[in-house]
Amino acid sequence: NAGVTQTPKFQVLKTGQSMTLQCAQDMNHEYMSWYRQDPGMGLRLIHYSVGAGITDQGEVPNGYNVSRSTTEDFPLRLLSAAPSQTSVYFCASSHKPDSMFSYNEQFFGPGTRLTVL
Amino acid sequence: DAKTTQPNSMESNEEEPVHLPCNHSTISGTDYIHWYRQLPSQGPEYVIHGLTSNVNNRMASLAIAEDRKSSTLILHRATLRDAAVYYCRERGNYQLIWGAGTKLIIKP
Repeated sequence: NAGVTQTPKFQVLKTGQSMTLQCAQDMNHEYMSWYRQDPGMGLRLIHYSVGAGITDQGEVPNGYNVSRSTTEDFPLRLLSAAPSQTSVYFCASSHKPDSMFSYNEQFFGPGTRLTVL
Repeated sequence: DAKTTQPNSMESNEEEPVHLPCNHSTISGTDYIHWYRQLPSQGPEYVIHGLTSNVNNRMASLAIAEDRKSSTLILHRATLRDAAVYYCRERGNYQLIWGAGTKLIIKP
């Protein structure tokens, strides 16, 4: 299994440009999520999905769109890049989301380092 | 909102035990306590989880207070490869909440 893969590893954008960060998992996980990590901080949830066709917003969704047309793929779109979106982006997946009395290990991709000039 | 509290950083000597504390005073009685770690320039990876009882695995041990308001991750013999940021997490609104974590520095 490749686990969770992300492309690209690095990206530089100019303000106003749009792009899509790709994320794929081959573990048949239902739950996928996107996080951003700013220097010296923990991860903040952008968007998540509990299954194909179902997405919802996390803590910091503004400026980002997601879709989930298949179980495997969960792309993150930056609509009009801004310098405030300079960050490292991580995609993660788990069999299901955690709930009461239930634990599901999250698997993370290697991250995409995005710089917006 | 659910929130965890951890020291910003800790130092330890190589091959000595390390005890990383976490306060999770808002945790509900039905939610697991999770620990993950993030090595430099990598995504987070799972370390251990527990509900009420202490837990052991090949990476670490987890000691959970009786009232579940705090826990301690124990690395029995820290190596240089254990230098990372360690996150204690609890669930909030179907999403795990990430704090800033504890940066563990291992001195040779």
